[in-house]
Amino acid sequence: AQSVTQLGSHVSVSEGALVLLRCNYSSSVPPYLFWYVQYPNQGLQLLLKYTTGATLVKGINGFEAEFKKSETSFHLTKPSAHMSDAAEYFCAVSDRFGFGNVLHCGSGTQVIVLP
Amino acid sequence: EAGVAQSPRYKIIEKRQSVAFWCNPISGHATLYWYQQILGQGPKLLIQFQNNGVVDDSQLPKDRFSAERLKGVDSTLKIQPAKLEDSAVYLCASSSHQGAGETQYFGPGTRLLVL
Repeated sequence: AQSVTQLGSHVSVSEGALVLLRCNYSSSVPPYLFWYVQYPNQGLQLLLKYTTGATLVKGINGFEAEFKKSETSFHLTKPSAHMSDAAEYFCAVSDRFGFGNVLHCGSGTQVIVLP
Repeated sequence: EAGVAQSPRYKIIEKRQSVAFWCNPISGHATLYWYQQILGQGPKLLIQFQNNGVVDDSQLPKDRFSAERLKGVDSTLKIQPAKLEDSAVYLCASSSHQGAGETQYFGPGTRLLVL
């Protein structure tokens, strides 16, 4: 079964500082990888995803993530945090093979941006 | 294009009562998902539909939960009778296809509180 681990349930960053959210997956076959953001009282919105090709993926709002197969990781970064980045972020995976397209989500990381 | 619509947005009921949630996916999306998001956790799949057929309902507590998508468009999720542990946000998502790696688009969710 797919498992996703997000290190740190809360991350505080100063406005303008680097945002780094960590995600590791457990699968012998690299899955498809996603980062979603959830603002209060809203559903999840896709930031970026990795399916194939270049391992550095750029997403919306200045975020990017790098797939590292050797480390089974897909960490999310943004060079300069903005107040509007305060939200909860979920790393998710789906099986590369199989009939369905189920998302297996981590437990989330709450980002707090300090002025 | 219009996003995934869900109603109601909030619902408060007493245990042992029944409740129903409604979801209208993005127009043309064949695949529809219901997820349960308990406070402090990531979403977990309850059921996945492809058109009006069930693809995966292995995590649906079938003794109390039911879901249908009769015409392959909108869907309802029902809980009968509700338990305290059913308090959660119920998210509906849709994707154009069920293929692995397809982006899922989420609705705003229905927040359920069982007293």
